[in-house]
Amino acid sequence: DTAVSQTPKYLVTQMGNDKSIKCEQNLGHDTMYWYKQDSKKFLKIMFSYNNKELIINETVPNRFSPKSPDKAHLNLHINSLELGDSAVYFCASSQDGQGEFLRGYTFGSGTRLTVV
Amino acid sequence: GEDVEQSLFLSVREGDSSVINCTYTDSSSTYLYWYKQEPGAGLQLLTYIFSNMDMKQDQRLTVLLNKKDKHLSLRIADTQTGDSAIYFCAEKGGNNRKLIWGLGTSLAVNP
Repeated sequence: DTAVSQTPKYLVTQMGNDKSIKCEQNLGHDTMYWYKQDSKKFLKIMFSYNNKELIINETVPNRFSPKSPDKAHLNLHINSLELGDSAVYFCASSQDGQGEFLRGYTFGSGTRLTVV
Repeated sequence: GEDVEQSLFLSVREGDSSVINCTYTDSSSTYLYWYKQEPGAGLQLLTYIFSNMDMKQDQRLTVLLNKKDKHLSLRIADTQTGDSAIYFCAEKGGNNRKLIWGLGTSLAVNP
């Protein structure tokens, strides 16, 4: 029944490793997002996909690569993890279109990534 | 560029009203939102307002929008300890596909 689900919920890994976070939404939304929330709780958008097409690509190191196999899934792969990548990563989805956007975004519960 | 500003902290006593303020710069905003984030959880849409409205009430929540001053506020009546959370203001411009977020106001409710 979960609308936007992310896995894993917690991820602890060593510097230099490569890891992936997965996101799935069952709301039928056509747009999905990745956000990073740092230790001060500041939210920063990283990427957005609309119907599998990349539409927002903020200034993010190219070690971060999103992949959207279909409009219900958006994964985030991170290469060569660094200490500064430690944060909570949120997936979200929305339905674009006149009158639809009033519902805003639906967020997943987050993936807490700790790089040691 | 577009910007959304909020004060970072607010502390109130249980039973009092809380007012969280937000200012934004985008004059083409179409929708404005308040999201709530409880500790260890994701963000949850609390309420929203269209830019052509100046007030919206939903139970204990009252949203006021002053479009001329680009000022949005969220009033929580009879604040409870369960209202302790971070409240994010966000706006969507007419041509933007992304929301512009404030930094969040951390509300502490003291018994």
